[in-house]
Amino acid sequence: KNEVEQSPQNLTAQEGEFITINCSYSVGISALHWLQQHPGGGIVSLFMLSSGKKKHGRLIATINIQEKHSSLHITASHPRDSAVYICAVPAGGATNKLIFGTGTLLAVQP
Amino acid sequence: KAGVTQTPRYLIKTRGQQVTLSCSPISGHRSVSWYQQTPGQGLQFLFEYFSETQRNKGNFPGRFSGRQFSNSRSEMNVSTLELGDSALYLCASSSEPNQPQHFGDGTRLSIL
Repeated sequence: KNEVEQSPQNLTAQEGEFITINCSYSVGISALHWLQQHPGGGIVSLFMLSSGKKKHGRLIATINIQEKHSSLHITASHPRDSAVYICAVPAGGATNKLIFGTGTLLAVQP
Repeated sequence: KAGVTQTPRYLIKTRGQQVTLSCSPISGHRSVSWYQQTPGQGLQFLFEYFSETQRNKGNFPGRFSGRQFSNSRSEMNVSTLELGDSALYLCASSSEPNQPQHFGDGTRLSIL
């Protein structure tokens, strides 16, 4: 069993739809990262959260530490949101060593 | 503020050669991490450096090595290249460990 699992692996949505990507992890963590990767490779850090909820524009990330589960929501999706979304957790302690999920490939169609 | 800069962006090598990749972190960031991304294995952690010291190493053979300089710039080296080393190599920096990481655009290494 992978330490970090994401679902779904692939997601196609119509512009304007509300999108949810899920992440479950099996290790104890201090925080969880959500990353976005566009075609061509560049990775952008969207959120780092350790409890509750964070919001940035149309993106919302939530985490439930007890259930070891996090969700990334996109409201009013747009074709420019098309990317791979990756959740990652620290390996433990004060470290930048991350364990990554396999990613969710999102395609938002106009 | 300039972002994380990785050079070169693209590199083609042949089996058996060695390669050095460079990463300049965001000014003021002392923590630098390296990751390998391949279609088969996804993203995997290579090394983490903080104040010129390697704090963590991933599960990679000894052919993969790295270092960090006093100005926080980092290099990674891969010797005796194999076809399986073809990948996107990403560098990320943060002010200190366990903080949000800022990623560079990566170096795409192709081994022929």
